[in-house]
Amino acid sequence: GENVEQHPSTLSVQEGDSAVIKCTYSDSASNYFPWYKQELGKRPQLIIDIRSNVGEKKDQRIAVTLNKTAKHFSLHITETQPEDSAVYFCAASKGSRNQFYFGTGTSLTVIP
Amino acid sequence: SAVISQKPSRDICQRGTSLTIQCQVDSQVTMMFWYRQQPGQSLTLIATANQGSEATYESGFVIDKFPISRPNLTFSTLTVSNMSPEDSSIYLCSVERATNEKLFFGSGTQLSVL
Repeated sequence: GENVEQHPSTLSVQEGDSAVIKCTYSDSASNYFPWYKQELGKRPQLIIDIRSNVGEKKDQRIAVTLNKTAKHFSLHITETQPEDSAVYFCAASKGSRNQFYFGTGTSLTVIP
Repeated sequence: SAVISQKPSRDICQRGTSLTIQCQVDSQVTMMFWYRQQPGQSLTLIATANQGSEATYESGFVIDKFPISRPNLTFSTLTVSNMSPEDSSIYLCSVERATNEKLFFGSGTQLSVL
């Protein structure tokens, strides 16, 4: 089955700096890669996703890049704010009706 | 996104008892999943809840311990049977909609077993 690895496990940045979280996957058939943000005591929330026919996607301060050849994708958060502090999970899926495989999570702390 | 109601939100249970968690979605969905999230850990898929048939369980999870029902396209239950302290965890219902293949999560059930 699919194996998703995520790094780093913890990340601290100063407010206003950028944060980058990286994930790799093993199954070349995976074609959908979402990112979730989970604040303490809350459910995981989908923040951005990318499909394999696209190399990059941006939504305001958040962007995701995908390298299919190398089987890795990354989350980029620019101009970080304290409210960005949370645990972020990447995931990979082969598409509709297939299960999602999650990375181990990155705890991001934005220091004011 | 989908509106996913999950209850109870939390419970404290005695060893050896069972707890049934309910998941209700505001509209029909193609796929419903049950995940477990142990403290500080990632999301582990327990099973896929299949409408009108037996659930599909992942390695390490069995029907006798985690029976699942899905009587229709908007509702599912997960039962945690014969609980032990090792079952203390957050249990999350999640759904995938046919229209956009995105996965959304319920609010979760925080279970503590004494």
